[in-house]
Amino acid sequence: GESVGLHLPTLSVQEGDNSIINCAYSNSASDYFIWYKQESGKGPQFIIDIRSNMDKRQGQRVTVLLNKTVKHLSLQIAATQPGDSAVYFCAEGGYNQGGKLIFGQGTELSVKP
Amino acid sequence: GAGVSQTPSNKVTEKGKYVELRCDPISGHTALYWYRQSLGQGPEFLIYFQGTGAADDSGLPNDRFFAVRPEGSVSTLKIQRTERGDSAVYLCASSSRLTSGRNEQFFGPGTRLTVL
Repeated sequence: GESVGLHLPTLSVQEGDNSIINCAYSNSASDYFIWYKQESGKGPQFIIDIRSNMDKRQGQRVTVLLNKTVKHLSLQIAATQPGDSAVYFCAEGGYNQGGKLIFGQGTELSVKP
Repeated sequence: GAGVSQTPSNKVTEKGKYVELRCDPISGHTALYWYRQSLGQGPEFLIYFQGTGAADDSGLPNDRFFAVRPEGSVSTLKIQRTERGDSAVYLCASSSRLTSGRNEQFFGPGTRLTVL
């Protein structure tokens, strides 16, 4: 069946370092991917998205890379800050048709000062 | 502008009781989604509305769960005869896919449901 999974359940980095969070997906028909950040007690917060016709997209301090050949997605956070500490989820879905997003289990990012 | 809001933020009920959870989407967003999140897990899709109609309710676990969106804005998730296994955070999201062309979903803070 469809699934979106993460390679690493936890990631600990030093403040100022770059962070890389990885995600694997299994549905080759998915054409839209989103990264969310979720802090304790809050709902998921949109970070960045990418369509399947792209392999890279950059935002403020964040970059998402998509490798459709191996069905792999990654989120890169530059100069990680303590405020980046949270659980990060990747999600897959359809771009034009809307509908549900399928989430992975999440990676907990811990930033050490 | 205001984001997605959900009420109540916390709900404690007894097994067998009926509960209603409310979601106010971002103004103008035509699509509304309900998800359920268990501890340590990612959100799990329940149902999706486009306007007033349920476009996809394939995630509802059984017939005790029902959701409505009568005027195409506010939505209510209704759970009958609650069971302890229903305990979770219920998340609502909305998107303006028809105007933005993207399925970018914005989430509310969730309602934490505890069934004793």
